[in-house]
Amino acid sequence: ETGVTQSPTHLIKTRGQQVTLRCSSQSGHNTVSWYQQALGQGPQFIFQYYREEENGRGNFPPRFSGLQFPNYSSELNVNALELDDSALYLCASSYEGTRNSPLHFGNGTRLTVT
Amino acid sequence: GEDVEQSLFLSVREGDSSVINCTYTDSSSTYLYWYKQEPGAGLQLLTYIFSNMDMKQDQRLTVLLNKKDKHLSLRIADTQTGDSAIYFCAERDSNYQLIWGAGTKLIIKP
Repeated sequence: ETGVTQSPTHLIKTRGQQVTLRCSSQSGHNTVSWYQQALGQGPQFIFQYYREEENGRGNFPPRFSGLQFPNYSSELNVNALELDDSALYLCASSYEGTRNSPLHFGNGTRLTVT
Repeated sequence: GEDVEQSLFLSVREGDSSVINCTYTDSSSTYLYWYKQEPGAGLQLLTYIFSNMDMKQDQRLTVLLNKKDKHLSLRIADTQTGDSAIYFCAERDSNYQLIWGAGTKLIIKP
């Protein structure tokens, strides 16, 4: 069973730039969600994708957008980067279709905005 | 809004039991989870409990749920150095979204 993989592991960008983070879901999972984890804090829900459509969103501005592909992999795009976007970005996959499908996380992408 | 709270730190001696506590506000929670995060790593699912249960045991881990007080705890028996990590409590709300605590850092003393 292949787990959740994310790329890249680390990234440094300049304020105002755009970034794309990638995630491959665990085999058998059809739902992907993205979280932002600032240093010393718990994860904050960004959004979730199911069947290639966003079906849940947290309190993040529209410059945070995403995609899910037919193979259930996903991308997180952030435009007009701000210093406060520096964080660990976590992708999690699950199987939608049961009321409780625990999330399985990747190791994250550490984004630094300077 | 919904909230999940945890103590920031817990220090225990190697071999003792660790008890990490969590309180939540959403009375319609369906499932509650414990995740472990080691430095530089993602979140590892440890265990979870359905809201109509009051206890679940899995090897060294025991989860206790007091639904009336909205209190969840994770007990780790015979704590080892490899248990050093940050432990997150999370609840799944009525929209099936996860609400997270800020995490409890478990420190093991020799």
